[in-house]
Amino acid sequence: DARVTQTPRHKVTEMGQEVTMRCQPILGHNTVFWYRQTMMQGLELLAYFRNRAPLDDSGMPKDRFSAEMPDATLATLKIQPSEPRDSAVYFCASGLVRGTSGGGGYNEQFFGPGTRLTVL
Amino acid sequence: GQQLNQSPQSMFIQEGEDVSMNCTSSSIFNTWLWYKQDPGEGPVLLIALYKAGELTSNGRLTAQFGITRKDSFLNISASIPSDVGIYFCAGQLYYPNYGGSQGNLIFGKGTKLSVKP
Repeated sequence: DARVTQTPRHKVTEMGQEVTMRCQPILGHNTVFWYRQTMMQGLELLAYFRNRAPLDDSGMPKDRFSAEMPDATLATLKIQPSEPRDSAVYFCASGLVRGTSGGGGYNEQFFGPGTRLTVL
Repeated sequence: GQQLNQSPQSMFIQEGEDVSMNCTSSSIFNTWLWYKQDPGEGPVLLIALYKAGELTSNGRLTAQFGITRKDSFLNISASIPSDVGIYFCAGQLYYPNYGGSQGNLIFGKGTKLSVKP
């Protein structure tokens, strides 16, 4: 049963501390997305990768957030230093984009269970 | 940025009732997806639509890709208690000058389904 895994599921930390969230995408998927979900803003796209290359990270506060894919089985999202306003649920999703011309790729995204981050 | 207008924001259901929700946009999409999110979990894909006018069913769920490519609806027939949760629509914008798509989705704000007290 292929699914996206995320660790940790919950994280409580103090303001100023570094937070690292990890994601293992579904084997064979070529795109990985990081989202943040809050009551006020809903689901916001932070960054995404295709074939491990960053395509768009315009949704991320660049001064404190960074996203990487060291290899095809691991994506990381790091916050340094963390702030209380970063408290949210962070989701990783992976997908397989197929086809690039004439009508676009198929883009079914499959979500992990999320990391609930609380910054005190 | 681009936005999807999803309605209603919330609704109460009584077991057995049919439910309908929709998403609209001023932009053209080449993919519409419908997700359901249970508390403490990530969104789960319910239905994917790829062609204008396409009507697809998944059990008691039926979704359609609007003919104008700017809207989609989701219907749930004969609702049951486990249907409660938050339903999200998501669309992939169509970029004709970039081979069709960029891969990222835009999400609606969600429709929260609760059981009628």
